[in-house]
Amino acid sequence: GAVVSQHPSWVICKSGTSVKIECRSLDFQATTMFWYRQFPKQSLMLMATSNEGSKATYEQGVEKDKFLINHASLTLSTLTVTSAHPEDSSFYICSAPTRQGDSPLHFGNGTRLTVT
Amino acid sequence: QKEVEQNSGPLSVPEGAIASLNCTYSDRVSQSFFWYRQYSGKSPELIMSIYSNGDKEDGRFTAQLNKASQYVSLLIRDSQPSDSATYLCAVTHTGNQFYFGTGTSLTVIP
Repeated sequence: GAVVSQHPSWVICKSGTSVKIECRSLDFQATTMFWYRQFPKQSLMLMATSNEGSKATYEQGVEKDKFLINHASLTLSTLTVTSAHPEDSSFYICSAPTRQGDSPLHFGNGTRLTVT
Repeated sequence: QKEVEQNSGPLSVPEGAIASLNCTYSDRVSQSFFWYRQYSGKSPELIMSIYSNGDKEDGRFTAQLNKASQYVSLLIRDSQPSDSATYLCAVTHTGNQFYFGTGTSLTVIP
C-alpha cells in the first residue's frame, strides 16, 4: 500500500530553536499533503494544506510565519516549527492522498515534539 | 454544525462481541468515506474505504453507507482486545479537503 515516511519520529528541542519535520511519499507522487497537529486525548487538527510548487494554505489561527511549510517536490513536504515554545509541544502528523479525487489519506507515523 | 459527527464514547464491549461505531456527516455531496483506527500515541491507520451505498466487508470489519441518511458505520465482529483504539470517520468530496470526526474510543474487555 501507499507509504508516507515522516521523520524524525520524536524530537526534543530547547525553547527558541527551530525544528524541521520531513514528510515523504515513497511510492507515489503527492501533489497535496496535509499537516495535522494532535494534543493528548484530543482530535486531529488540520494545520495547513501544502501543494507542490505553490504556497501552503493555512487554517484559521495557525501562524504561517511560525509554521513554515515547503512542498518543493512531488515527494517531499517539510514543516518547520520556528522559535519553538513549550506550547508547541504536540504530535505532528503529515498525510497525503495517493491521487486526487476518491483516494483516502495515508498518514506518516507522526513526530512527537517536546519543547523544553 | 460540524461536518462529521461521531459519538466520542467511550464504547466498551466484551471480547467476542460486535462493536458498532457510527458517524453522520452534513455535506450531501460527500463522495468518499473512510474509517481509521488510531492507537494511543500513534498516527491514524486506514482500515476501510467505502464509496457506494450498502455494505462493504473486509475480514472482521464491515462498513455501511447510507447516503440518503448521511450515515456511515463500522461494525467490528468478534472484537478483540487489540481492537481497543480510537476510530476516526473521515469524508471527502473532491479529495482536496478531508473532514474528520473527533473519534470514538473503543475498549474491548477481555
